[in-house]
Amino acid sequence: NAGVTQTPKFRILKIGQSMTLQCTQDMNHNYMYWYRQDPGMGLKLIYYSVGAGITDKGEVPNGYNVSRSTTEDFPLRLELAAPSQTSVYFCASATSVRQETQYFGPGTRLLVL
Amino acid sequence: QQPVQSPQAVILREGEDAVINCSSSKALYSVHWYRQKHGEAPVFLMILLKGGEQKGHDKISASFNEKKQQSSLYLTASQLSYSGTYFCGTRNSGYALNFGKGTSLLVTP
Repeated sequence: NAGVTQTPKFRILKIGQSMTLQCTQDMNHNYMYWYRQDPGMGLKLIYYSVGAGITDKGEVPNGYNVSRSTTEDFPLRLELAAPSQTSVYFCASATSVRQETQYFGPGTRLLVL
Repeated sequence: QQPVQSPQAVILREGEDAVINCSSSKALYSVHWYRQKHGEAPVFLMILLKGGEQKGHDKISASFNEKKQQSSLYLTASQLSYSGTYFCGTRNSGYALNFGKGTSLLVTP
């Protein structure tokens, strides 16, 4: 049982490039989330999903896209990377909303130059 | 609506106690507490649902005052392993958690 896994661990992008951050969970959780964490700013929700085929925007969705074709996977797509997207990205999953414990992946550190 | 945490940072000696506060301007359905060590992912500590309950986990406990829209995390007889950044996450409604900016806790020998 690996929990929530994220790849890559670290990536450097040039301005204007695109990439996909991968997130996979093996706990059969319906709810999945993408956060970004900037120094001293806490966690900001980018997108979330309540099940396969269902996604919705969080607080800071601009510049990102997601899809959820399976219960296990929730990739985050960055189109036309900008320096403002330099951050640490965390994926999380949860079994339910009411008694929710969010399990976080190890994070992806992204640097856009 | 991002909850407000206080203090921003605290330094303790081993064995001392600390209180971290979390407040919201909106009605809360639940409050979640996480701890994050440097370079690692946040780790769940506890969840409190509306109803004014109090929970405990070892020497870490928390309270939730629904009427005041506040929660407090109590760390007693602190240990070196308690060092890290503590985040509260609040749920007003729906599916999203709003996280505070965090409280940095350092426990020294």
